Amino acid sequence: AQSVTQPDIHITVSEGASLELRCNYSYGATPYLFWYVQSPGQGLQLLLKYFSGDTLVQGIKGFEAEFKRSQSSFNLRKPSVHWSDAAEYFCAVGAGDTDKLIFGTGTRLQVFP
Amino acid sequence: NAGVTQTPKFQVLKTGQSMTLQCAQDMNHEYMSWYRQDPGMGLRLIHYSVGAGITDQGEVPNGYNVSRSTTEDFPLRLLSAAPSQTSVYFCASSSGTSSGANVLTFGAGSRLTVL
Repeated sequence: AQSVTQPDIHITVSEGASLELRCNYSYGATPYLFWYVQSPGQGLQLLLKYFSGDTLVQGIKGFEAEFKRSQSSFNLRKPSVHWSDAAEYFCAVGAGDTDKLIFGTGTRLQVFP
Repeated sequence: NAGVTQTPKFQVLKTGQSMTLQCAQDMNHEYMSWYRQDPGMGLRLIHYSVGAGITDQGEVPNGYNVSRSTTEDFPLRLLSAAPSQTSVYFCASSSGTSSGANVLTFGAGSRLTVL
């Protein structure tokens, strides 16, 4: 069965520092992978997605993620974090034959000035 | 261009009461789904539909019913609410073409409290 693991429940960084949020997935075939962001009290917004091709994908708000098949990972990165990036981040994997998504448990990002 | 609209935004129920969470989309999307979000557990799929008249269970379907009589609407029914159903509920839709390779559009969520 498909699954997603986000090992970091809570991460705190200083504004301007770099960021990497970890995501590991379990899926038998080529996965469809997504990162979503949720600001407090809001719905989910797509940051970026990987379907095929270039393993380094660019998203909105300066985020990028790299698909590494050998490590079953899809880590999210940003070179310089802004205070407005404080939110909860979810990694998700497509379940194959439909648009069902399996989500990780999320990583809450806190940004200090 | 409303996208995915969920109503109500907030609801408080007593144990045993029934209610329906409404979800409507105006993008002519074939695929619709319901998730619940609980602290530390991420989003878990309750039910989904790949088109009008077709529904299926997700990861946590117990205690919930759905139907899909039109492309636009996908209501979620709680027949006898329990405190364990206290959660934030999200409806999401996508075009459903090229299955699996589509982006979900989420509603703003409905916060349900069962006393």
